[in-house]
Amino acid sequence: DSGVTQTPKHLITATGQRVTLRCSPRSGDLSVYWYQQSLDQGLQFLIQYYNGEERAKGNILERFSAQQFPDLHSELNLSSLELGDSALYFCASSPHHLGEKLFFGSGTQLSVL
Amino acid sequence: AQTVTQSQPEMSVQEAETVTLSCTYDTSESDYYLFWYKQPPSRQMILVIRQEAYKQQNATENRFSVNFQKAAKSFSLKISDSQLGDAAMYFCAYRSAKGSNYQLIWGAGTKLIIKP
Repeated sequence: DSGVTQTPKHLITATGQRVTLRCSPRSGDLSVYWYQQSLDQGLQFLIQYYNGEERAKGNILERFSAQQFPDLHSELNLSSLELGDSALYFCASSPHHLGEKLFFGSGTQLSVL
Repeated sequence: AQTVTQSQPEMSVQEAETVTLSCTYDTSESDYYLFWYKQPPSRQMILVIRQEAYKQQNATENRFSVNFQKAAKSFSLKISDSQLGDAAMYFCAYRSAKGSNYQLIWGAGTKLIIKP
């Protein structure tokens, strides 16, 4: 167990809908990262937060947004969902912003029908 | 832009034997980190081993070791005494050590099958 908790484990929704994925980092970790794993594009970095502030941005669509709360948990919001958004969404945490060692959650499998 | 290439979509090995997974990368940077992650059927991404580019010595973690060839931009993973629990997808990843963006850049993965 990595200590990173992601909920829900599975999510099935319809096109056009909005969902929220939640991540609780390991105790003491200040940095949270979101990654998307899909069959056609592999693993892609979406966004990083450090101690409540956005630190780095990757290939995140404008329909997607994230935030990190004062208790350090993070949420990834996906809106106007499309079939192509179906993927495994990972959250990872690290003690600081350098991300030298990431601890991954078990992911949220999103299926858009 | 940096890229990571894993040319072996799938590898198989007999239990207790040794297997090597290949990874090459492209970068113009001199300071970076390389990683091997394992993703078993449970889906969780687990760090197997990490290598700092400035270190000449190859990293080792129990049965797992790497062959880091900086000039050739090669970073292979050797698994000795393969066990059934080693069956998983293995991903090679790169991370810059400079700048403010420390995102991981991933290879496409290699599926490792362990034959009993």
